[in-house]
Amino acid sequence: GESVGLHLPTLSVQEGDNSIINCAYSNSASDYFIWYKQESGKGPQFIIDIRSNMDKRQGQRVTVLLNKTVKHLSLQIAATQPGDSAVYFCAENIDRGSTLGRLYFGRGTQLTVWP
Amino acid sequence: ETGVTQTPRHLVMGMTNKKSLKCEQHLGHNAMYWYKQSAKKPLELMFVYNFKEQTENNSVPSRFSPECPNSSHLFLHLHTLQPEDSALYLCASSQDTGGTYEQYFGPGTRLTVT
Repeated sequence: GESVGLHLPTLSVQEGDNSIINCAYSNSASDYFIWYKQESGKGPQFIIDIRSNMDKRQGQRVTVLLNKTVKHLSLQIAATQPGDSAVYFCAENIDRGSTLGRLYFGRGTQLTVWP
Repeated sequence: ETGVTQTPRHLVMGMTNKKSLKCEQHLGHNAMYWYKQSAKKPLELMFVYNFKEQTENNSVPSRFSPECPNSSHLFLHLHTLQPEDSALYLCASSQDTGGTYEQYFGPGTRLTVT
């Protein structure tokens, strides 16, 4: 079922600081993970993804870390900006050995960036 | 813009009304999804379509009826809804239904049932 969760429902950071948003999952069969950002009044927007054969992936100002040993996923945002304020969701795909894989979403963390 | 559009953006309906939500994707994807997003709850998958065929119905009440006439369009027909159905309804599309494909979301329809 929905085994994806988040350690903190809210996170407040100062502009320019780095942000770390955490996500825990319980299904060791999960083979693909995505981070989404959802701004107020908009749908979720893809940020970055990572497959289970990797432990780190970097994008523009964002890094996703995957620790399969403890089933933990994190999103790091460098030099956080006011435009980063949003709800961040992690999602996992559980490999069911077919094309009917589906994404399970966590509840989300509200990131607030203050000047 | 993500290439997925939804109309209307806001909808208020009574419990006896019939209305439809529309989703269109301009990405050439083969799979489309309906999700329900309620406050303080994870996104709930409702329906999945792949090449116009429904591949998953996640135990959704029959008052929600999906329709996928082609790979670019997806509808959600609403009938005799309950106040607890008030939520943000999100449409998404992906290249295929495998979970390792990124899903692109529309802006959603904010539905209020009175």
